[in-house]
Amino acid sequence: KQEVTQIPAALSVPEGENLVLNCSFTDSAIYNLQWFRQDPGKGLTSLLLIQSSQREQTSGRLNASLDKSSGRSTLYIAASQPGDSATYLCAVLGADGLTFGKGTHLIIQP
Amino acid sequence: DGGITQSPKYLFRKEGQNVTLSCEQNLNHDAMYWYRQDPGQGLRLIYYSQIVNDFQKGDIAEGYSVSREKKESFPLTVTSAQKNPTAFYLCASSWDRVTDTQYFGPGTRLTVL
Repeated sequence: KQEVTQIPAALSVPEGENLVLNCSFTDSAIYNLQWFRQDPGKGLTSLLLIQSSQREQTSGRLNASLDKSSGRSTLYIAASQPGDSATYLCAVLGADGLTFGKGTHLIIQP
Repeated sequence: DGGITQSPKYLFRKEGQNVTLSCEQNLNHDAMYWYRQDPGQGLRLIYYSQIVNDFQKGDIAEGYSVSREKKESFPLTVTSAQKNPTAFYLCASSWDRVTDTQYFGPGTRLTVL
């Protein structure tokens, strides 16, 4: 059964820094990988979706990479801002459906 | 204005009562899902439906029931058989289960008193 792990569980950095969130998964037979953002008490917002045949996707200050063979993905956030503070969830879609990691709780200090 | 709506935002239930959480979407999506989220945990799939009048159990279906009589609606009933129902419940929809991203509603927080 697919397992998704996110490291670190929590991260606090000063505003303006570049940062990397990590996601690993145990079964490389996936259709795609998604990064979501969740604000406290809210639903999930999709940030980036990488199909299994792709290596990376970019949206504004966000860049997500996928190395399917090693079961890893990273979410790179450039020039972080206080508004980036949220929980970031990684999820992989496979034959069993969408499997989520527990998330990285990110705080950007003004 | 397209999207997914969930109601109510907060719900309180006494032990032994059944409650129904509403999920409506106007995105014309075929597939709909219900997830449960507990503090510090990832989302866990309760039920999903890929088409009207059909639904499948997810990883933690015990104590829950669903119906899919209309394409736009996928209500979730939390029954008294669910031992620990206090959680945040999220509904989602997508064009299909395999290739498309899922779009999430704002969630319902259920508390058992």
